Amino acid sequence: AQSVTQLDSQVPVFEEAPVELRCNYSSSVSVYLFWYVQYPNQGLQLLLKYLSGSTLVESINGFEAEFNKSQTSFHLRKPSVHISDTAEYFCAVTNIGAGSYQLTFGKGTKLSVIP
Amino acid sequence: GAGVSQTPSNKVTEKGKYVELRCDPISGHTALYWYRQSLGQGPEFLIYFQGTGAADDSGLPNDRFFAVRPEGSVSTLKIQRTERGDSAVYLCASSSAPGQGELFFGEGSRLTVL
Repeated sequence: AQSVTQLDSQVPVFEEAPVELRCNYSSSVSVYLFWYVQYPNQGLQLLLKYLSGSTLVESINGFEAEFNKSQTSFHLRKPSVHISDTAEYFCAVTNIGAGSYQLTFGKGTKLSVIP
Repeated sequence: GAGVSQTPSNKVTEKGKYVELRCDPISGHTALYWYRQSLGQGPEFLIYFQGTGAADDSGLPNDRFFAVRPEGSVSTLKIQRTERGDSAVYLCASSSAPGQGELFFGEGSRLTVL
């Protein structure tokens, strides 16, 4: 069984400031890692994913996450946030080779960008 | 429509009643998932369909919960003898490539059991 821990339930940050949303996971097997985002009144959307290859992955709107196997982490970062980044962010994991590829999600981090 | 559609968006029912929640996935997506999200929690896996069959129902909490997908498209989640603890947002997601992790989620059905 795997689990995901998002240490911060809420993160307020001023516009144009940097932000890091933390995610740690636990699994006895190799995993794929994901960040999903939920904007107000919308469904969950995939933000970025790590499957293999480079441990640094990027999204189209400036977020990046780095897979750190030794620390079992997949923290999400952005150097300068915008008001439009206000949303709830969920880290998720799935076991490689798991038949159903079911995702295990963390509890989420609410990012509030302050003008 | 272009996205995953879930109906109803809100459902209020009384304890002990029967409830059906519907999911219309993206056309052509063979994989369909149901998740449940309680207040302050992340989504929790309930069941996975590949085509018409339930390939993994290990997340269903008990035998009051059942889901079908008879024609490999629309799915219905059925909850019998509802309890107050069933109150949550029920999310449906579909995918053409579940191994890549990209699930397309609907906006959810909020169930409130009084």
